[in-house]
Amino acid sequence: GAVVSQHPSRVICKSGTSVKIECRSLDFQATTMFWYRQFPKQSLMLMATSNEGSKATYEQGVEKDKFLINHASLTLSTLTVTSAHPEDSSFYICSAPNQRVYNEQFFGPGTRLTVL
Amino acid sequence: AQRVTQPEKLLSVFKGAPVELKCNYSYSGSPELFWYVQYSRQRLQLLLRHISRESIKGFTADLNKGETSFHLKKPFAQEEDSAMYYCAAGGSSNTGKLIFGQGTTLQVKP
Repeated sequence: GAVVSQHPSRVICKSGTSVKIECRSLDFQATTMFWYRQFPKQSLMLMATSNEGSKATYEQGVEKDKFLINHASLTLSTLTVTSAHPEDSSFYICSAPNQRVYNEQFFGPGTRLTVL
Repeated sequence: AQRVTQPEKLLSVFKGAPVELKCNYSYSGSPELFWYVQYSRQRLQLLLRHISRESIKGFTADLNKGETSFHLKKPFAQEEDSAMYYCAAGGSSNTGKLIFGQGTTLQVKP
């Protein structure tokens, strides 16, 4: 089946630094990928839709300058948290849609970001 | 506004008892409804979708358009069913974008 990977699985950084998280579709192409944020024992909050070859579409309330998204190829999307602060600490998850069954998504394992 | 609501944060049952995880939606048009499951330390994965009308791991869910509900049911819960369950809705625009409910933790006690 289709697999989505994320790297790194966890990262700890100092306040004020930037962190890049990669999301890859391993055995299929994804012109669209989604980035979510998940708080402990809470729902997934859609942050943005990553579009290959064009700008990402951000959900209301998500700072596009804070969370930079780049979808440079059909198998890779990156999320960069710029000038990270402790309140950015969270679990970030990406997903890619099943090209044959629309609205079904394959999820990555997530990245745990801790900002000190 | 498009919204998916799961009223229960936690549902705790004993093994062998029936389970019903509630999901209500508010969505324009004719959405597709899904249940996703997240077992401990694993990634989110699709459990079932309403268009398939299938039973996965003994779970079923019926779309009730009149009540705008998509409750997940299983007649006899097993300990391995303990997980976080998310109801999600997607539109017909083929964007793949999903709206998730808040999630319900199912705890099946021995």
